[in-house]
Amino acid sequence: AQSVAQPEDQVNVAEGNPLTVKCTYSVSGNPYLFWYVQYPNRGLQFLLKYITGDNLVKGSYGFEAEFNKSQTSFHLKKPSALVSDSALYFCAVRPFSGGYNKLIFGAGTRLAVHP
Amino acid sequence: ETGVTQTPRHLVMGMTNKKSLKCEQHLGHNAMYWYKQSAKKPLELMFVYNFKEQTENNSVPSRFSPECPNSSHLFLHLHTLQPEDSALYLCASSQDPTGVSTEAFFGQGTRLTVV
Repeated sequence: AQSVAQPEDQVNVAEGNPLTVKCTYSVSGNPYLFWYVQYPNRGLQFLLKYITGDNLVKGSYGFEAEFNKSQTSFHLKKPSALVSDSALYFCAVRPFSGGYNKLIFGAGTRLAVHP
Repeated sequence: ETGVTQTPRHLVMGMTNKKSLKCEQHLGHNAMYWYKQSAKKPLELMFVYNFKEQTENNSVPSRFSPECPNSSHLFLHLHTLQPEDSALYLCASSQDPTGVSTEAFFGQGTRLTVV
C-alpha cells in the first residue's frame, strides 16, 4: 500500500535552533514528494516539492527538505526556527496511476517553536 | 490567498438537515478535490474531479454527494449526516490532473459540526 508516515505528533524546538520534521514514504515507482503547512483556521499552504534532480530542495520561508531514496525519507528542515513557524506540517506523496494522480498525506506533525 | 475559496467557513447542521459546501477556484485549474480532515488523522481524499468528470470516489458514504458543474466550481451536498462526520472539509485544485509534478492549492476549509 502507498503511504506516508510522520512518526512525531509534535516537535518542540527553541527559537533560533535548527528544526527537523520527519517523513518517510512507501510508494511504487518514482516518488513525487511535497510538504505543506497549515496555520490555525487556515487551509494547507504549499512549501516545497521534490520531483527529480538535486536531493536537497529549497522552499518557502527558509525551509528545505532532503530526499533520501535509500531511507525512503523526505525530512523537512530549517537552520534557524522562528516562533512564527509554529504550525501543523504535512508531508505528502503523489503516486501516478490510471492517467491521473492524487496526493496522499501523512497525519501531520505539530511544530511548536518556543521563544 | 491561494485562489481557492470555500464557503461557508463554518457550518452547524442537524442530522436531518440538507446543506451544501461550495468551492471556487480562480486559477484556471482542471482538477479539483475534496478532502476530509479529522483530528490526529491523515487527510482523507474523498473525491477527485478532472475536467468536470469524477475520477475518484474513495469509498465515501452516499450521504456525501459531490457536484462539479464546471472546472471552476465544486460542491459537496450533505444530507442525513452523522456526528462522526464533523470535521474540516478542504477543497483543493491543481493545474493538470496528469501532471505529477504539480502541487495542489487548498482553500481555507469549511468547519462542519453535526449535532
